[in-house]
Amino acid sequence: QKEVEQNSGPLSVPEGAIASLNCTYSDRVSQSFFWYRQYSGKSPELIMSIYSNGDKEDGRFTAQLNKASQYVSLLIRDSQPSDSATYLCAVNWGDYKLSFGAGTTVTVRA
Amino acid sequence: SAVISQKPSRDICQRGTSLTIQCQVDSQVTMMFWYRQQPGQSLTLIATANQGSEATYESGFVIDKFPISRPNLTFSTLTVSNMSPEDSSIYLCSVEDPGGRGTEQYFGPGTRLTVT
Repeated sequence: QKEVEQNSGPLSVPEGAIASLNCTYSDRVSQSFFWYRQYSGKSPELIMSIYSNGDKEDGRFTAQLNKASQYVSLLIRDSQPSDSATYLCAVNWGDYKLSFGAGTTVTVRA
Repeated sequence: SAVISQKPSRDICQRGTSLTIQCQVDSQVTMMFWYRQQPGQSLTLIATANQGSEATYESGFVIDKFPISRPNLTFSTLTVSNMSPEDSSIYLCSVEDPGGRGTEQYFGPGTRLTVT
């Protein structure tokens, strides 16, 4: 059974701090990894994709991938109240289908 | 990324009836996907819909309950048949990145279904 696990939330951080989200996955054949942001009542929005080991930065977001440890993370620097949302980790197992983690809800305190 | 629309955006239906959800994309895509998001839960893939072939269903989902059409490269429908309150969910279509950069998927706005 291929599984995607995310650290349980909710995660509350003060404005301006770093929010750290973690995700582990069960199958080493995984090729592609994604982070989606979902605001309440809205559909998921792709914010980061990462395909190779290491860090990938996009604005205030940094995704980190370690395939040996089967671990992918998302850092949100200088957190803003607008970052308050549920963040979903998704893994592609090599067949175009995505498996999603349960999500971590982030609240940024002003 | 593609612009994706879904109709209806929400509906309230009586048990035993059926609802067809439409998904329209502004560019041609090979693969379209249908997901379900139950209240407070994450996304579960229902099926993959490719143009010109039958949909491929995931474990726990069957064609009689969730028939899917894919008549062309920009459109798909999902029908939720013989509905029960357990079918109350958000139904989302997604498409692969039409730019072909990888396996990224983009989601439509979703259809919020309530079955009474």
